[in-house]
Amino acid sequence: QSALTQSPSVSGSPGQSVTISCTGTSSDFRDSSRVSWYQQSPGTAPKLIIYEVRDRPSGVPDRFSGSKSGNTASLTISGLQAEDEAAYFCSSYARSSSTVVFGGGTTLTVL
Amino acid sequence: QVQLLESGPGLVKPSQTLSLTCTVSGGSISSGSYYWSWIRQPPGKGLEWIGYIYYSGTTYYNPSLRSRLTISRDTSKNQFSLKLTSVTAADTALYFCARASFDVCDFWGQGTLVTVSS
Repeated sequence: QSALTQSPSVSGSPGQSVTISCTGTSSDFRDSSRVSWYQQSPGTAPKLIIYEVRDRPSGVPDRFSGSKSGNTASLTISGLQAEDEAAYFCSSYARSSSTVVFGGGTTLTVL
Repeated sequence: QVQLLESGPGLVKPSQTLSLTCTVSGGSISSGSYYWSWIRQPPGKGLEWIGYIYYSGTTYYNPSLRSRLTISRDTSKNQFSLKLTSVTAADTALYFCARASFDVCDFWGQGTLVTVSS
């Protein structure tokens, strides 16, 4: 069981916006600004798309945005495109155990 | 551009030791304040952080694997390695190595599938 909880799946039509949530139960997560999001297309390695809650690495479109409120972090993808169809994983640092934890992943289907 | 490449046996027998190596190019594993990481993904499932070795050589392990796990490095070859003892079918996974800035993995290897089976 993942330390971070994500809904298994979400879907949207091209041009729409979707939001993927990531919920943690610990105070580590609630108090942390260290939340990352990764995109993984089938058969490929994960790709970093958001770090430190809302920052984007160079080259990641601004259609991808991150936020966090209390125990829930969110990834919003606006202007959905077919190429966005992938699995999305959140991760965070658990200070109390000095470990990195991942969510179980959310599969995005573009209808 | 940093590149990472995993290598090692694709099949390991139960109770034996899983050994993988990650070869890094485009950057030194002994400088730059990076954490050189191992992450795995069982087939069809999510990601699990295994552990990392800091550029200084200090290691950090997932508590659930600590008793079976060793991460080491060979700076002369710019490689770091994973050894996981007493493997079972539950250790069957796609194993990735990655470069991390603390908990943020910005460069990943392509992954290597390790199957535990007799």
